[in-house]
Amino acid sequence: QKEVEQNSGPLSVPEGAIASLNCTYSDRGSQSFFWYRQYSGKSPELIMSIYSNGDKEDGRFTAQLNKASQYVSLLIRDSQPSDSATYLCAVIGSGGGKLIFGQGTELSVKP
Amino acid sequence: GAVVSQHPSRVICKSGTSVKIECRSLDFQATTMFWYRQFPKQSLMLMATSNEGSKATYEQGVEKDKFLINHASLTLSTLTVTSAHPEDSSFYICSASHLAGDTDTQYFGPGTRLTVL
Repeated sequence: QKEVEQNSGPLSVPEGAIASLNCTYSDRGSQSFFWYRQYSGKSPELIMSIYSNGDKEDGRFTAQLNKASQYVSLLIRDSQPSDSATYLCAVIGSGGGKLIFGQGTELSVKP
Repeated sequence: GAVVSQHPSRVICKSGTSVKIECRSLDFQATTMFWYRQFPKQSLMLMATSNEGSKATYEQGVEKDKFLINHASLTLSTLTVTSAHPEDSSFYICSASHLAGDTDTQYFGPGTRLTVL
């Protein structure tokens, strides 16, 4: 079992729709969770961080964390073509320090 | 937000030469920096963890004598690719760890695209 798992996609949604990206992790002791966006040929850009159970909203983005289920998700409301990118779920495990990345979900928002 | 810069953004070199890449945290001090490599259509691969004032910790399979890392200050880490060969051509990305209270967030530099001829 991979430490952090995401559906690789591609996930295709129409413009204006809600995009839902999901991630599960194996280390129950993980405390820090992140979503990064990576455009083709560019480096990852931090979108959201979440540390406690529940929802965290920032503009059109909402991160959801459920530690009991070892599940973290990212919702993008009113999706725009400019949101088309690969979204990386990352976790700092119980050992601390380095990020453990999922393989990324490719999102395509169609005009 | 926290800003991380890398220099150069792009470099082309001849096989056998060495290339140095700089990573700087511009508005915060980073005790820990990380170096990644990414090949086209593949995931980020962590190469090493760099701690200020101490030796870097390399991931399994990464040659420490080929990829020299120096973290001389809290705002600067360098990666030197020694005796570069075409198979070292890749996108090299650094990140810096920003500690704020009890949260630790990594911010990425814009990356350096290395092409070895």
